[in-house]
Amino acid sequence: QKEVEQNSGPLSVPEGAIASLNCTYSDRGSQSFFWYRQYSGKSPELIMSIYSNGDKEDGRFTAQLNKASQYVSLLIRDSQPSDSATYLCAVIGGGGSNYKLTFGKGTLLTVNP
Amino acid sequence: DTEVTQTPKHLVMGMTNKKSLKCEQHMGHRAMYWYKQKAKKPPELMFVYSYEKLSINESVPSRFSPECPNSSLLNLHLHALQPEDSALYLCASSQEVQLGGYTFGSGTRLTVV
Repeated sequence: QKEVEQNSGPLSVPEGAIASLNCTYSDRGSQSFFWYRQYSGKSPELIMSIYSNGDKEDGRFTAQLNKASQYVSLLIRDSQPSDSATYLCAVIGGGGSNYKLTFGKGTLLTVNP
Repeated sequence: DTEVTQTPKHLVMGMTNKKSLKCEQHMGHRAMYWYKQKAKKPPELMFVYSYEKLSINESVPSRFSPECPNSSLLNLHLHALQPEDSALYLCASSQEVQLGGYTFGSGTRLTVV
């Protein structure tokens, strides 16, 4: 059974700070990793994908992957109130389920002005 | 065009009604999905279509019936639903099943009365 674990939060940070969101996964064969942002009442929006160990940066967002530790993180620099949302970690691949995107339960982030 | 369009945005139906949810994408994606999301929970996979063929049914009750008329369209036919089926129904697409990186539609908020 593939599992994706996230701290449900809420995580509260002041405006301008760095928000750090963490995710662990159980299936060592997982190949692809994603972060989605979901505003309340809206659909998930893909913000980052990462496939190999190390860091991947896109604007204020940095995804970090460590396959040995089965750990994925998302850093949001210069956090803005508009970043307040639920962040879903998602994993695909590994085992016999390489078709299925498995989501964590999400971390609620609040950025305070 | 990088959108997945879902209609209707909101739907209220009685337990004896028959209704359909529609999803359309013009990104040339060959994999399309239906997800169900309850409040404060992550999306749950229902069906996967790959190259217009149903490849995965995640043990979804028969009162939900998917259909893929062509490579751009995905329907979800609803019949004899229960109040506990009330949820946000999300359509998503990706280039191929194994690649993840789904693009989600804005969803249909379904209420069964």
